[in-house]
Amino acid sequence: EPEVTQTPSHQVTQMGQEVILRCVPISNHLYFYWYRQILGQKVEFLVSFYNNEISEKSEIFDDQFSVERPDGSNFTLKIRSTKLEDSAMYFCASRVGQGWHEQYFGPGTRLTVT
Amino acid sequence: AQSVTQLDSQVPVFEEAPVELRCNYSSSVSVYLFWYVQYPNQGLQLLLKYLSGSTLVESINGFEAEFNKSQTSFHLRKPSVHISDTAEYFCAVSPPGAGSYQLTFGKGTKLSVIP
Repeated sequence: EPEVTQTPSHQVTQMGQEVILRCVPISNHLYFYWYRQILGQKVEFLVSFYNNEISEKSEIFDDQFSVERPDGSNFTLKIRSTKLEDSAMYFCASRVGQGWHEQYFGPGTRLTVT
Repeated sequence: AQSVTQLDSQVPVFEEAPVELRCNYSSSVSVYLFWYVQYPNQGLQLLLKYLSGSTLVESINGFEAEFNKSQTSFHLRKPSVHISDTAEYFCAVSPPGAGSYQLTFGKGTKLSVIP
C-alpha cells in the first residue's frame, strides 16, 4: 500500500541553524500539507501546497518557513533560523485531489532545537 | 474558525469492555468530521469520517462515531476493545467546499487497553 514517507525521523539542531525536513508524498496525490505538534499540544496546520504554490498557510507559517517541491517526488519544509520553540513533531500529509477528503500522513520528523 | 475539544487526555479500559472517546467541536459553518488514530511510532491514519448523510459512521475494525449537530459532538465508540486498539485517537474537522481542506485537530486521547 502506498504511504507517505518522511526523513529524517529525528533531527537535532542548534538554535539559529537552518533545517530541511523531507517528505515523499504518495505519487498520484496533488495536495500536500505540513502540520506540527509541539509536545503535549494539538496537531496544528502549517501550510498547504497545490500546483506548485502555497494554497493556504496559518499564522505559524511566518517568513522563517518555506516549502518547496524541488522535483516530482519530494516535498520539503525549510526552517531558516530555528528557535527553541520550533521543537516539535512535524507531519507531512498528502491528498489525492479535489473531492477527495482523506489526508494520508507520514510518520513524522521529531525536531529538537537546542 | 473551528476548534475541537477532546475532553479526555487518557482513557484506560479493560480488554473486551466498551469505550467512548468524546469529541466536541465549535464552528460557525458546517464541517466535515474525522477520527484519526496514531499507533506508536507511526503516522496518523484515518479511522472514519462524516461528510454528509447518515449520522452514524463505522470503521472496518468495529469503531463507530455519531454526528450530533445539536450537541456539536462526534463521539467515538467501540462495544468491545482489544489490546491492539491501544493508540492515540485524534478528532479533527475541516471546512467543506472549495479550499485546501486543512484539518483542525483536538489534543488527542490516549486509549490504553488493559489485559
